[in-house]
Amino acid sequence: DAEITQSPRHKITETGRQVTLACHQTWNHNNMFWYRQDLGHGLRLIHYSYGVHDTNKGEVSDGYSVSRSNTEDLPLTLESAASSQTSVYFCASAREGRGVGAFFGQGTRLTVV
Amino acid sequence: GNSVTQMEGPVTLSEEAFLTINCTYTATGYPSLFWYVQYPGEGLQLLLKATKADDKGSNKGFEATYRKETTSFHLEKGSVQVSDSAVYFCALSGGSNYKLTFGKGTLLTVNP
Repeated sequence: DAEITQSPRHKITETGRQVTLACHQTWNHNNMFWYRQDLGHGLRLIHYSYGVHDTNKGEVSDGYSVSRSNTEDLPLTLESAASSQTSVYFCASAREGRGVGAFFGQGTRLTVV
Repeated sequence: GNSVTQMEGPVTLSEEAFLTINCTYTATGYPSLFWYVQYPGEGLQLLLKATKADDKGSNKGFEATYRKETTSFHLEKGSVQVSDSAVYFCALSGGSNYKLTFGKGTLLTVNP
């Protein structure tokens, strides 16, 4: 079955370190997204991509970057981790079409100490 | 810009009670509307959706109707079960824009 997987599922890192969270999907979807989930805020969009070599900033993109070198992967990099980036991160993908929704990964719980 | 407002809860119900979780939205044009469910420790799963006015989405006994006149998409279920305990998110996407805008989520706890 096609799926979307995130790794690692849990990570603890120190302030100032660079961290990369992986996202891999096997649906061949062009559209991929990264969200963060925080209590009281729901899910907020960090970055998104509509195809290879396309990347766009979401509403909370400061301190994060993504790259899209192939259809399957959209890694999220925290350039210099900060305590404010402690959160649960979700990757999602969607095919083209109005109202199709998106498929979500299981999430990565990141703690910055 | 787009926004979604949903009752934040938490909501606590007894098994077999009626459930309503309110959701209203602000968007330009004609958005598609969604309800997602998140069980403990898991990612989000699409529960139901509607893409045009008066459409009713339904799944697993849950229903929601796209009401353009009131910009609402309230989630309902006639008889909840303990297994429905989860966080429910209302969301929208606009036109050919695949980005989802989420509400803050509503925690539902169903007691036996």
